[in-house]
Amino acid sequence: GESVGLHLPTLSVQEGDNSIINCAYSNSASDYFIWYKQESGKGPQFIIDIRSNMDKRQGQRVTVLLNKTVKHLSLQIAATQPGDSAVYFCAENWDQGGSEKLVFGKGTKLTVNP
Amino acid sequence: DGGITQSPKYLFRKEGQNVTLSCEQNLNHDAMYWYRQDPGQGLRLIYYSQIVNDFQKGDIAEGYSVSREKKESFPLTVTSAQKNPTAFYLCASSLPRALAKNIQYFGAGTRLSVL
Repeated sequence: GESVGLHLPTLSVQEGDNSIINCAYSNSASDYFIWYKQESGKGPQFIIDIRSNMDKRQGQRVTVLLNKTVKHLSLQIAATQPGDSAVYFCAENWDQGGSEKLVFGKGTKLTVNP
Repeated sequence: DGGITQSPKYLFRKEGQNVTLSCEQNLNHDAMYWYRQDPGQGLRLIYYSQIVNDFQKGDIAEGYSVSREKKESFPLTVTSAQKNPTAFYLCASSLPRALAKNIQYFGAGTRLSVL
């Protein structure tokens, strides 16, 4: 999962397995969370989002789980494919008195082995 | 890359030189953002603009400047005051919060290196 520090957390899985990527967020007042996928040399791409009044949301092959009690977010990828290899970032939305900003985690590098 | 175009893809800066990174979007988004990404790190906010002719400093604005004269364009200048400019720079845009969730859409990035 994600953590503070210079070394990017990594996760290595076999093709076809399920992947779980974890994220600890910092602001208990964050009202909205997003997962992004970033392939090498490219910009981040939106995967899925969830509001703070939900604890689970499903997309195509992906599920996001939110545990506000422990400020934890996870991304589950079903039947992981080689094309899923990338760095995954969680982002929390901070509302700063009418102005919003996304605060990004450090990222987790997912490697899918054929 | 979803209607956000960053150029150039690669940029080299000489000592003491200012360089400008371009960001153009055709998504009709009001808000635009600049982030810096260092190897193995997350994204750090440099500047953002919620509306034309207005912008605010992010977390690491020192050594950078921006302008927002048009809705479609949000150029970033890396000035000579930025002593460690080597990084991957990402531009993003989003709809206003009142209309939608704060999903930011990103360009493909500009990789800046120092000669």
